[in-house]
Amino acid sequence: DAGVIQSPRHEVTEMGQEVTLRCKPISGHNSLFWYRQTMMRGLELLIYFNNNVPIDDSGMPEDRFSAKMPNASFSTLKIQPSEPRDSAVYFCASSLLAGFNEKLFFGSGTQLSVL
Amino acid sequence: DAKTTQPNSMESNEEEPVHLPCNHSTISGTDYIHWYRQLPSQGPEYVIHGLTSNVNNRMASLAIAEDRKSSTLILHRATLRDAAVYYCIPRRTGANSKLTFGKGITLSVRP
Repeated sequence: DAGVIQSPRHEVTEMGQEVTLRCKPISGHNSLFWYRQTMMRGLELLIYFNNNVPIDDSGMPEDRFSAKMPNASFSTLKIQPSEPRDSAVYFCASSLLAGFNEKLFFGSGTQLSVL
Repeated sequence: DAKTTQPNSMESNEEEPVHLPCNHSTISGTDYIHWYRQLPSQGPEYVIHGLTSNVNNRMASLAIAEDRKSSTLILHRATLRDAAVYYCIPRRTGANSKLTFGKGITLSVRP
């Protein structure tokens, strides 16, 4: 099992540009989570999906952020337009159905730098 | 979500046991207690979880107080690879519950 795969590993962009982060969950997992980690705020849950449906997006900072899960094997997190304060490590995680004490498996993260 | 209180940091010597405490006095009766850890430059990884009884697995043991207001993660023999941030997370049981991370404890292991 390859685990949760995120791409790219590193992204450097300029303020105002669109950024798309990608995630491939573990095959067979029903739930997918996007987290953001900064020194100041720690690990924050942005949004999560069950069976490809967004369940809770209350952690999405503002309208510049959007997430999609078009099928069970792929999700994207898009920031448009990006700002320097979006610089962080973004983690994707997947699990069997969320809410029943299933373990979350995390990817290696995408280090985003917005200049 | 129940609030947790953990020390900011702890130190241990290699090959000695480590007890990592967590207070969660506002935990509800159906919240499980989950522990995750995050090694440097990696995503978090699951360690263990439990409800009332003490739990053991190959990574660690979890001791839960009788009133469930606190718990202790026990690493029986710390190794250098165990140096990480350890998060204690009460998690509600049921559909659509979230995993909300706090600040965690930074564990340092001395050779």
